[in-house]
Amino acid sequence: AQSVAQPEDQVNVAEGNPLTVKCTYSVSGNPYLFWYVQYPNRGLQFLLKYITGDNLVKGSYGFEAEFNKSQTSFHLKKPSALVSDSALYFCAVRAPTGYSTLTFGKGTMLLVSP
Amino acid sequence: DSGVTQTPKHLITATGQRVTLRCSPRSGDLSVYWYQQSLDQGLQFLIQYYNGEERAKGNILERFSAQQFPDLHSELNLSSLELGDSALYFCASSSWTFPVDTQYFGPGTRLTVL
Repeated sequence: AQSVAQPEDQVNVAEGNPLTVKCTYSVSGNPYLFWYVQYPNRGLQFLLKYITGDNLVKGSYGFEAEFNKSQTSFHLKKPSALVSDSALYFCAVRAPTGYSTLTFGKGTMLLVSP
Repeated sequence: DSGVTQTPKHLITATGQRVTLRCSPRSGDLSVYWYQQSLDQGLQFLIQYYNGEERAKGNILERFSAQQFPDLHSELNLSSLELGDSALYFCASSSWTFPVDTQYFGPGTRLTVL
């Protein structure tokens, strides 16, 4: 079975500082990995995905994620945080099989202070 | 705006009742997914339909059922409602892109069971 762990319920960072939201996964085979963001009272918005190739994936709103196969991690990063980045962030994994579905982590609340 | 629409936005009902949630996928998307988001369980995959056919099943209760119609909209039916069914219900849609599709989420329906 596939699973995702987001070890931090909340991450606090000051505006302008770099941010990292952690994610580790477990899946058979090479994973497909995703990050989504959820703003209050909104649906999930797709940020980026890793399929194969370059371990650094660039996505929307200046976010990027680094895939590390040996550590089974896919951490979300941004060089300079904005207050408007404050939201709930979800990591998700999908196995590379035909009818596999997405499994989400429990989410990490990112709070960026002015 | 993801292009996925869900109605209603809010639904308040009583225990034992039955409700229907509706989802219209993005134009051209053949796959529809349903998820339940609650504080204690996080984001749980319920069921997937592809072009009218059930494709995958997750943690969907027997009291819940879904279908996808010829015009590709989908409905999630929840019956014999219990207090614990109170949650946010999301629909997502996708179209096939090699090697893995990306799911785009609707704004959700917040169900409150009293």
